[in-house]
Amino acid sequence: AQRVTQPEKLLSVFKGAPVELKCNYSYSGSPELFWYVQYSRQRLQLLLRHISRESIKGFTADLNKGETSFHLKKPFAQEEDSAMYYCALSGLGGSEKLVFGKGTKLTVNP
Amino acid sequence: GAGVSQSPSNKVTEKGKDVELRCDPISGHTALYWYRQSLGQGLEFLIYFQGNSAPDKSGLPSDRFSAERTGGSVSTLTIQRTQQEDSAVYLCASSLGPKGAQYFGPGTRLLVL
Repeated sequence: AQRVTQPEKLLSVFKGAPVELKCNYSYSGSPELFWYVQYSRQRLQLLLRHISRESIKGFTADLNKGETSFHLKKPFAQEEDSAMYYCALSGLGGSEKLVFGKGTKLTVNP
Repeated sequence: GAGVSQSPSNKVTEKGKDVELRCDPISGHTALYWYRQSLGQGLEFLIYFQGNSAPDKSGLPSDRFSAERTGGSVSTLTIQRTQQEDSAVYLCASSLGPKGAQYFGPGTRLLVL
């Protein structure tokens, strides 16, 4: 069964501190992994996808197939990073519906 | 260009009534998805349309839920005989193709009294 687990519902850090949002997944084939972000009163938007291997707004995420993880990291958090973050996966073939984790609310304090 | 739009933005209805939610995808996007976001369940997939293929309805929670996509563009999600547990934010997303990044609309917040 496809499942995405984000163990932290809430995460609070101070500005300038490193931040890591954890994501673990369960999938029988080869998934594609994503991070989506939802800022206050804005729509859900794509932050990263693992096949792009890019850094957006200073965030990076590496797919670790051995640990079935796709943790999101940023070395120096900014106040504007405060938002809900969702990890999601889809299969690499067929219907590309997304399976989402429950989300982590990140608060970056001044 | 314009993003995915949804209407209405908010809908309050009485238990037992039918509701229709509309989604206008990004022009040229062949894939369209409906998701539901609720406090208890998080974000759940409902239904997926891709071109002229038969839709993937595997996420619809009951036969009270149905959706159609006319002309490969606009989609309507219909909930018949609404129940209080249907209260949620209904999100629509579209992508250029089945492997494309999904772009989300602002959602329709449904409240069933």
